[in-house]
Amino acid sequence: AQKITQTQPGMFVQEKEAVTLDCTYDTSDPSYGLFWYKQPSSGEMIFLIYQGSYDQQNATEGRYSLNFQKARKSANLVISASQLGDSAMYFCAMRVNTGGFKTIFGAGTRLFVKA
Amino acid sequence: EAQVTQNPRYLITVTGKKLTVTCSQNMNHEYMSWYRQDPGLGLRQIYYSMNVEVTDKGDVPEGYKVSRKEKRNFPLILESPSPNQTSLYFCASSFGSGNHYEQYFGPGTRLTVT
Repeated sequence: AQKITQTQPGMFVQEKEAVTLDCTYDTSDPSYGLFWYKQPSSGEMIFLIYQGSYDQQNATEGRYSLNFQKARKSANLVISASQLGDSAMYFCAMRVNTGGFKTIFGAGTRLFVKA
Repeated sequence: EAQVTQNPRYLITVTGKKLTVTCSQNMNHEYMSWYRQDPGLGLRQIYYSMNVEVTDKGDVPEGYKVSRKEKRNFPLILESPSPNQTSLYFCASSFGSGNHYEQYFGPGTRLTVT
């Protein structure tokens, strides 16, 4: 069965420090996409970064990078130089095309950035 | 402005009273989907549509119906709502159904069924 696991319900980080949010996934499909979305307290869902299963290099988007370890089935999000505006809920998600064109989300990690 | 819109944003209703939540996108996206968000469970997919007249069940389809008669619209129908359908609902769309497309989300609809 396809599954996304985020084991950190909540995390604290000091402003300007880096933080890693964990995500592990499970699928038997060799082709999949991994995504991170941010949900601020206002409620909207914001796309942050994408990693394809066949990508050789880790994805980066500004202060966001994805630490993709395929053998370990992990896709951790790294936020560098945390800002107060990074305080939000973060969701890891996977798109697979086996058994339907579905998207599976993790339970999320709430990040608190301290001044 | 490229966007996904949902209406209503907030709805309080009673058990058994049929309701429809509308979703519309102006990006000519082929793929549209509905999710519900519950604390501790993340987002769970209810239904999705790969194109006009093509819909399929997600992981939690019970109690919901959808239709896709036009490319831009994908309404979510609750024929007989129950309290366990109280949740935050998101509509999303993407250019295609391939696993490399990010999804664009609507603002959410907070539904309370009493």
